[in-house]
Amino acid sequence: QQQVKQSPQSLIVQKGGISIINCAYENTAFDYFPWYQQFPGKGPALLIAIRPDVSEKKEGRFTISFNKSAKQFSLHIMDSQPGDSATYFCAASTGSARQLTFGSGTQLTVLP
Amino acid sequence: NAGVTQTPKFRVLKTGQSMTLLCAQDMNHEYMYWYRQDPGMGLRLIHYSVGEGTTAKGEVPDGYNVSRLKKQNFLLGLESAAPSQTSVYFCASSLSTSYEQYFGPGTRLTVT
Repeated sequence: QQQVKQSPQSLIVQKGGISIINCAYENTAFDYFPWYQQFPGKGPALLIAIRPDVSEKKEGRFTISFNKSAKQFSLHIMDSQPGDSATYFCAASTGSARQLTFGSGTQLTVLP
Repeated sequence: NAGVTQTPKFRVLKTGQSMTLLCAQDMNHEYMYWYRQDPGMGLRLIHYSVGEGTTAKGEVPDGYNVSRLKKQNFLLGLESAAPSQTSVYFCASSLSTSYEQYFGPGTRLTVT
């Protein structure tokens, strides 16, 4: 049972374009929604995160949009660069140890 | 600071063999986690620990055991390896006051 559904599975964008990755969740107990970036052969690293009481958060070229009523959130990468090529995971946190439930990942390729 | 380190980086096991994966962190984090990453499935939580001497089951605990005898170390054991346990294993840690998890570089395990 996948509690966090992520799409698309893969995404190809031209340099300078906008990359958009979407996630949907079911468990209303989730209270923190991070996005992790992973390069080949490396562990995931936190990119940006949002709490459910905020509808949007922006850090540089990266923006999270959050729709609590629809139980959806998305990552927007503006002015995408070849260096952004990586796998992106959305996640949601709940529980006393802030356990994370991850989406299935999106492999982003930004063409030069 | 080395952050989160994992030993070994690669391992090949035969079905039925046992092994222990070691995770170490030097950030004085209270919480530690073990995940497995499989293609198309994101990362799934195996076990986690909120402190020395305490462990709890995650989403996919069957076939694994863990121990946290020291705050800085979290061990993941496979008593009788099965081909279904072929995966990349990631350890992560976090402060009890933070949602951010810091990941290690991973261990690629193949069970034949």
